[in-house]
Amino acid sequence: EIVLTQSPGTLSLSPGERATLSCRASQSVSSTSLAWYQQKPGQAPRLLIYGASNRASGIPDRFSGSGSGTDFALTISRLEPEDFAVYYCLQSGTSPKTFGQGTKLEVK
Amino acid sequence: EVQLVETGGGLVHPGGSLRLSCAASGFTFSSYAMTWVRQAPGKGLDWVSIINYSGAGTSYADAVKGRFTISRDNSKNTVFLQMDSLRAEDTAIYYCAKTIFPRDSASCIDFWGQGTLVTVSS
Repeated sequence: EIVLTQSPGTLSLSPGERATLSCRASQSVSSTSLAWYQQKPGQAPRLLIYGASNRASGIPDRFSGSGSGTDFALTISRLEPEDFAVYYCLQSGTSPKTFGQGTKLEVK
Repeated sequence: EVQLVETGGGLVHPGGSLRLSCAASGFTFSSYAMTWVRQAPGKGLDWVSIINYSGAGTSYADAVKGRFTISRDNSKNTVFLQMDSLRAEDTAIYYCAKTIFPRDSASCIDFWGQGTLVTVSS
């Protein structure tokens, strides 16, 4: 099983700042199979990035994804108030599919 | 508009069974692999199972293998999760989800239902 480790567990920033979230895999993951999701309280997750670096439909361009192999990152260039949420990475290329444990992005 | 509506959740005793259903609309259901993901209260996302577009291929997380069975009825645009021998640690919101690319079980999830709560307790 591929273990995804997200860091930091909690990230405290202010609106307007830049956020960088990390997702590290225990073994190499195909870039085509790495995705990022945003989840707000009481809501289902929402796809942000697929294929490591492709923005999903309707996702603002302040969200970007990068990385390959075992190291991936989600960057939010300038935080908006609605961006404070929990973020998860997912690898879907190898069964069992696995999620990271999540990074909570909170207002400083 | 893609819609996924889960039903069948509820309270069940340890050792009991439940069958979840997910009714899909707004896309060509028979072309997409479908997935179940769960989330225990206050916890992260936990992948449960996937079924390929035709129903001929399935995969399960180790935690549910041998107890849960995923299936689909493409004539009714519905995917199911039969859950047997339920344990307290199966308590979670269960989400039905669609993969992003047709006929590609390795592609990620692009759309989620709103979930149904399963509570396993005596």
